[in-house]
Amino acid sequence: DVKVTQSSRYLVKRTGEKVFLECVQDMDHENMFWYRQDPGLGLRLIYFSYDVKMKEKGDIPEGYSVSREKKERFSLILESASTNQTSMYLCASSFLRSNTEAFFGQGTRLTVV
Amino acid sequence: GESVGLHLPTLSVQEGDNSIINCAYSNSASDYFIWYKQESGKGPQFIIDIRSNMDKRQGQRVTVLLNKTVKHLSLQIAATQPGDSAVYFCAENIKGGFKTIFGAGTRLFVKA
Repeated sequence: DVKVTQSSRYLVKRTGEKVFLECVQDMDHENMFWYRQDPGLGLRLIYFSYDVKMKEKGDIPEGYSVSREKKERFSLILESASTNQTSMYLCASSFLRSNTEAFFGQGTRLTVV
Repeated sequence: GESVGLHLPTLSVQEGDNSIINCAYSNSASDYFIWYKQESGKGPQFIIDIRSNMDKRQGQRVTVLLNKTVKHLSLQIAATQPGDSAVYFCAENIKGGFKTIFGAGTRLFVKA
């Protein structure tokens, strides 16, 4: 079974903190993605990566950065957390040539207070 | 602009009936359309996709229909079961890229 593991299910952080969300996949997928999910808005793409050290902005990259130093690991960084970044964050991965089928982690519910 | 939307935010069906979840899209530059299922407390799970040059594709108990003339996508679930209760997302893959655009989702309730 493909497994995409996010480091935390729930996080509570203070405004202004630097926050790291970690994601690891075990299927040797080239593509990795970070989405945020908010009620009524579906999933919105923050950043994605199709190779180690490569990254591309998604639809809502402001306030976020990413790091992909190893193929299996993709980290999302909130440089200075704000209350409007309170959300569910979902990591996903897929093969380069079959990117319609993405495999998602269980999500990290982040609350910024 | 790019958007994928849904006609109904919630759908309630009787166990054993067929379910139809609808979706409208606006981007003509998509090469694949996809359905995901998200159960409570879990990440979305791929169900089925359909290439833009097809109008129908069947899987196990599911059928996806694509009508490009009216930019409409639907997911049909046969003999709906309690385990089908979830939020269903339609999504589209933009041609030539890695970008997938998700709709807002429809919550399916299955009544026993």
